[in-house]
Amino acid sequence: GAGVSQSPSNKVTEKGKDVELRCDPISGHTALYWYRQSLGQGLEFLIYFQGNSAPDKSGLPSDRFSAERTGGSVSTLTIQRTQQEDSAVYLCASSPRVGVGSDTEAFFGQGTRLTVV
Amino acid sequence: DAKTTQPPSMDCAEGRAANLPCNHSTISGNEYVYWYRQIHSQGPQYIIHGLKNNETNEMASLIITEDRKSSTLILPHATLRDTAVYYCIVRSAYSGGSNYKLTFGKGTLLTVNP
Repeated sequence: GAGVSQSPSNKVTEKGKDVELRCDPISGHTALYWYRQSLGQGLEFLIYFQGNSAPDKSGLPSDRFSAERTGGSVSTLTIQRTQQEDSAVYLCASSPRVGVGSDTEAFFGQGTRLTVV
Repeated sequence: DAKTTQPPSMDCAEGRAANLPCNHSTISGNEYVYWYRQIHSQGPQYIIHGLKNNETNEMASLIITEDRKSSTLILPHATLRDTAVYYCIVRSAYSGGSNYKLTFGKGTLLTVNP
């Protein structure tokens, strides 16, 4: 079946513009996660959704970042007034359920490479 | 507050077993050990996880020491496509412990050589 799909795969934007990154999780997965990976850096947790609600938004770097999930499926990560330091690969993942143990492994998409110029 | 320690890099000959160590000396009784890998320009890929027993699946084996302070991921017959960064991650079983979050360290860059 289809994996986690992210779009666009690449995005170049001018500093100060807003961008929207989309994630289509695996069908039936209740949990959805956003991470980002800056050049040469490790993966940084941003936010996760359980259904349509986001219990933990603490990883969002600033109030310019927001995310929503609708219908327990598609999620959008929005970055307002982009800055050069926002340049990174933004990765989305989904899992059948949250936690540890069976059916909790996260499946990642290929990411969206965002470049702010 | 890194919970795991891994060597920054390792080499392995194609066709041989790759044994990737991970130290998690402060692991607590309710914490699982997860392994992911990230091939260049791709998203991370789940490999295997375990609590205290050794685990095996189609990708790899996970050997956890009896005291649970370290573990080894074994790729039995490494191929060139196994070249990747391998991450060892410790996760709590308690929901209050942010167990939804994968905390990635720097991992081990495994290079499989022909």
